[in-house]
Amino acid sequence: GAVVSQHPSWVICKSGTSVKIECRSLDFQATTMFWYRQFPKQSLMLMATSNEGSKATYEQGVEKDKFLINHASLTLSTLTVTSAHPEDSSFYICSARDWDPNTIYFGEGSWLTVV
Amino acid sequence: AQSVTQLGSHVSVSEGALVLLRCNYSSSVPPYLFWYVQYPNQGLQLLLKYTTGATLVKGINGFEAEFKKSETSFHLTKPSAHMSDAAEYFCAVSGGYSSASKIIFGSGTRLSIRP
Repeated sequence: GAVVSQHPSWVICKSGTSVKIECRSLDFQATTMFWYRQFPKQSLMLMATSNEGSKATYEQGVEKDKFLINHASLTLSTLTVTSAHPEDSSFYICSARDWDPNTIYFGEGSWLTVV
Repeated sequence: AQSVTQLGSHVSVSEGALVLLRCNYSSSVPPYLFWYVQYPNQGLQLLLKYTTGATLVKGINGFEAEFKKSETSFHLTKPSAHMSDAAEYFCAVSGGYSSASKIIFGSGTRLSIRP
């Protein structure tokens, strides 16, 4: 089946630095990718919708200057957490949509710890 | 707009017993409904989805769910629980067949299985 790969799976960074998380669709073209954030023992909160070749659409309350999303190709979207702070520590999950708008594949997630 | 309510943040059943996880939705358009499972520190795996047609949907691992429009429900069931079913389960909704549809998740239900 279709696979979505996230990298890195785990990352620790110092407060004030930036960190990039990649989301790749491995065997299909994803015109739309979604980025979610999940706090421990909580649900997935949609952060933004990323469309190839255009600006991401952010959900209300999500700082677009802090969470930079780029979707430069049909198989790659990146999330960059800029000037990371400990409160940004979380599990970030991406998902990618193929030709069927309601068939969405999820990545394995990326744990970010800011120290 | 769409929303999902999962009743019960934690459900515990005995091995071999019936599993019932409750989900109610709200949608301004005919919804597409999903159940996902998440194991610790992992991404999400699709169990089943309802789009159109038969309202009783069968998924992987012996799970099934029934779409009841009159009750705005999409409860997940499994006749006989197995220890390996212990995980977090998320009900989700999207606004039908549209490339603009986002998947919105419920708060999740943690399923525990007693030996």
